[in-house]
Amino acid sequence: DAGITQSPRHKVTETGTPVTLRCHQTENHRYMYWYRQDPGHGLRLIHYSYGVKDTDKGEVSDGYSVSRSKTEDFLLTLESATSSQTSVYFCAISGTRQNTEAFFGQGTRLTVV
Amino acid sequence: DAKTTQPPSMDCAEGRAANLPCNHSTISGNEYVYWYRQIHSQGPQYIIHGLKNNETNEMASLIITEDRKSSTLILPHATLRDTAVYYCIVSGGDFGNEKLTFGTGTRLTIIP
Repeated sequence: DAGITQSPRHKVTETGTPVTLRCHQTENHRYMYWYRQDPGHGLRLIHYSYGVKDTDKGEVSDGYSVSRSKTEDFLLTLESATSSQTSVYFCAISGTRQNTEAFFGQGTRLTVV
Repeated sequence: DAKTTQPPSMDCAEGRAANLPCNHSTISGNEYVYWYRQIHSQGPQYIIHGLKNNETNEMASLIITEDRKSSTLILPHATLRDTAVYYCIVSGGDFGNEKLTFGTGTRLTIIP
């Protein structure tokens, strides 16, 4: 299995509080991604990174920010959590941009109450 | 991006070959066909991908039609652990993995 660790695995937080999810990889892969998964929507890309300090928005980026100060860590921050951000969040990595597989973490289940 | 169409659900008897179809009639010449699966609530798992030729690995075979408008994922000897949601994704061209679009997939149930 690819070395991807998401933390925390479960979190319950209150509306309006900031939340940071961490994705840590030991594969030295250049590309990292954050997805959310909700019933009926499949997985939707939030943000991705193509290198240290290089990030870009995905399909559903509103309300989220990311940072990547080291190759191995990609942080997803909810500045002020809302109930609509209750979801399962997956991190993924890939070594190249195309023609390669992406490896996914085990997910973080976030509940905003 | 090319879109894909998959049946929402399928059943397959344990030990038989599971054949999962996917239509991607608007695929471009430089776009790949990828297959991933998601077992229960785990993270998606890569299975196989291809451009034009049929591909085989230790998990599955991918058969792409000559016109590339459809493909079939074959799990040769399905086991109960193959019960999962299977996603067919088209990506490539000017885009990379940042454009992996996961739809709702096919829910495959392996029946004992």
